[in-house]
Amino acid sequence: KQEVTQIPAALSVPEGENLVLNCSFTDSAIYNLQWFRQDPGKGLTSLLLIQSSQREQTSGRLNASLDKSSGRSTLYIAASQPGDSATYLCAVQSISNFGNEKLTFGTGTRLTIIP
Amino acid sequence: GAVVSQHPSWVICKSGTSVKIECRSLDFQATTMFWYRQFPKQSLMLMATSNEGSKATYEQGVEKDKFLINHASLTLSTLTVTSAHPEDSSFYICSVADERAYNEQFFGPGTRLTVL
Repeated sequence: KQEVTQIPAALSVPEGENLVLNCSFTDSAIYNLQWFRQDPGKGLTSLLLIQSSQREQTSGRLNASLDKSSGRSTLYIAASQPGDSATYLCAVQSISNFGNEKLTFGTGTRLTIIP
Repeated sequence: GAVVSQHPSWVICKSGTSVKIECRSLDFQATTMFWYRQFPKQSLMLMATSNEGSKATYEQGVEKDKFLINHASLTLSTLTVTSAHPEDSSFYICSVADERAYNEQFFGPGTRLTVL
């Protein structure tokens, strides 16, 4: 059974700093990994998708890396802004016991950027 | 990416009633849609995978007779919570897998269900 863990559970940093969020998963047989942000009471916004054959993906100030063999991914946020405050979730896509693709979510990191 | 809507955004109902939540894929035809549930301060848990024209696949521990899923068209999936009870109060979110983009999943805005 796939298990996804995110560390830390919560993080507060001053505006302008760079930061790294961590994600680990137990089963390396994945198709891809996605990073999402979730604002309070809202749905999820997809930030980046890394295919299992890729090592990293970049979008603006965001850079996500993937080391499938060790079961780890990181999300790097450069020059953080107050608008980056949200909960960040990583999710791995793999095949379920029923043979269909499914996302397994991590526990999330609640990020607060201090102005 | 895919654009997904949900309706209603929130609903309050009495215990014992049934509630239907709609999930629509607005800009492409989605063969597969997913339904998740999220309790306060917890992450998302997959409830079921909805495939157009066939029966949904439910995750272990999810009662299929209580959470009825219908995926009658390529743009609409519905989740009906039957005989709702207070413990069913939760945030329900759907997603679609965009086959045009390595099955990247895009999520709707969610529906907050409160059962009194």
